Amino acid sequence: DVKVTQSSRYLVKRTGEKVFLECVQDMDHENMFWYRQDPGLGLRLIYFSYDVKMKEKGDIPEGYSVSREKKERFSLILESASTNQTSMYLCASSLRAPNIQYFGAGTRLSVL
Amino acid sequence: EDQVTQSPEALRLQEGESSSLNCSYTVSGLRGLFWYRQDPGKGPEFLFTLYSAGEEKEKERLKATLTKKESFLHITAPKPEDSATYLCAVQAAQGGSEKLVFGKGTKLTVNP
Repeated sequence: DVKVTQSSRYLVKRTGEKVFLECVQDMDHENMFWYRQDPGLGLRLIYFSYDVKMKEKGDIPEGYSVSREKKERFSLILESASTNQTSMYLCASSLRAPNIQYFGAGTRLSVL
Repeated sequence: EDQVTQSPEALRLQEGESSSLNCSYTVSGLRGLFWYRQDPGKGPEFLFTLYSAGEEKEKERLKATLTKKESFLHITAPKPEDSATYLCAVQAAQGGSEKLVFGKGTKLTVNP
């Protein structure tokens, strides 16, 4: 079974803090993705990576950056957290398209 | 711009009452259409992939179908454990995109 593991289920941070969300997959997938999910807005793509050290902006990259130093690990970074970044963050991975994206359990981030 | 619209937004059924969820899409060449199930506070769980019009797939009480403009998720004799949000996503062929475009989901509640 494919396993995508997100390091935290719940996080509470203060405005202005630097926040790291970590994601690890165990299936040697080329692609990894970060989404955020908000009520009424659905799933929105923040960034994705199709190879180590490669990244592409998704639909809402502002305020976020990413890092992929190893194939199995994809990190989402909030340089200076703001209250409007309070959300559910979901990581996913897949083989090359067209292929199924497998999701982690999600990290619910609250920025106070 | 690729778009996915799901209807209805919410659906309440009695146990055993069959129904269908709709996913309408506009995409510049369909590479694949994906159905996911999402339980509250969890990541989406993959259900089906459909690649071409006329294709059908089944799993227990669920059956997914695909035309050139829409997909249906038919639920036959649902049980309370089928209660969840069902997400539809499409992957475009143009540009070799690895991205999925998600609809906002249909929240299904099955009452005993």
